[in-house]
Amino acid sequence: NAGVTQTPKFRVLKTGQSMTLLCAQDMNHEYMYWYRQDPGMGLRLIHYSVGEGTTAKGEVPDGYNVSRLKKQNFLLGLESAAPSQTSVYFCASSRPVNEQFFGPGTRLTVL
Amino acid sequence: KNQVEQSPQSLIILEGKNCTLQCNYTVSPFSNLRWYKQDTGRGPVSLTIMTFSENTKSNGRYTATLDADTKQSSLHITASQLSDSASYICVVRSNAGNMLTFGGGTRLMVKP
Repeated sequence: NAGVTQTPKFRVLKTGQSMTLLCAQDMNHEYMYWYRQDPGMGLRLIHYSVGEGTTAKGEVPDGYNVSRLKKQNFLLGLESAAPSQTSVYFCASSRPVNEQFFGPGTRLTVL
Repeated sequence: KNQVEQSPQSLIILEGKNCTLQCNYTVSPFSNLRWYKQDTGRGPVSLTIMTFSENTKSNGRYTATLDADTKQSSLHITASQLSDSASYICVVRSNAGNMLTFGGGTRLMVKP
């Protein structure tokens, strides 16, 4: 089992560009999450999904959109990237009220 | 507001020594507390989970404690190894809304 995988691993964008981060899990988990991790701060929840076709806002949702068209995939989109979105992005998945399993992260730099 | 504070922010110890990391939280109502280990460039991996009724739990050289009355937890690492160099993150789950609150982590460096 690959667990939770994320693509790409690294990306550099210019301000105003758009991109999509892909998260995939092969553990048949119902719940999936997108977090961002900034230096000196705890992980902060951007959006999450409790099942295929459903998404919800987390703590810091502004500037991001998500989609969960398939149970195993959770996409995070940036429509118009800003320097404040420079961060490391982690995807996670879990069964309801259970341990979250994290992907390896995507390091995004917005110039 | 739910908060998780960890100390120290960073720590350097010599290989073979012991160390203790601290976590204080204000999350309510409390469900459980996990300690995660995050290697550089990787995602966090769960080390141990503590529920309200548990005071101590071990996972190899890692021992976690929980005092639900004072809302404090600690992670003790015994006989440290170079591979213990990582960030250790305390994460508290609340029953309300089933959300997690993450601490900022303690960055541990073990030197030979």
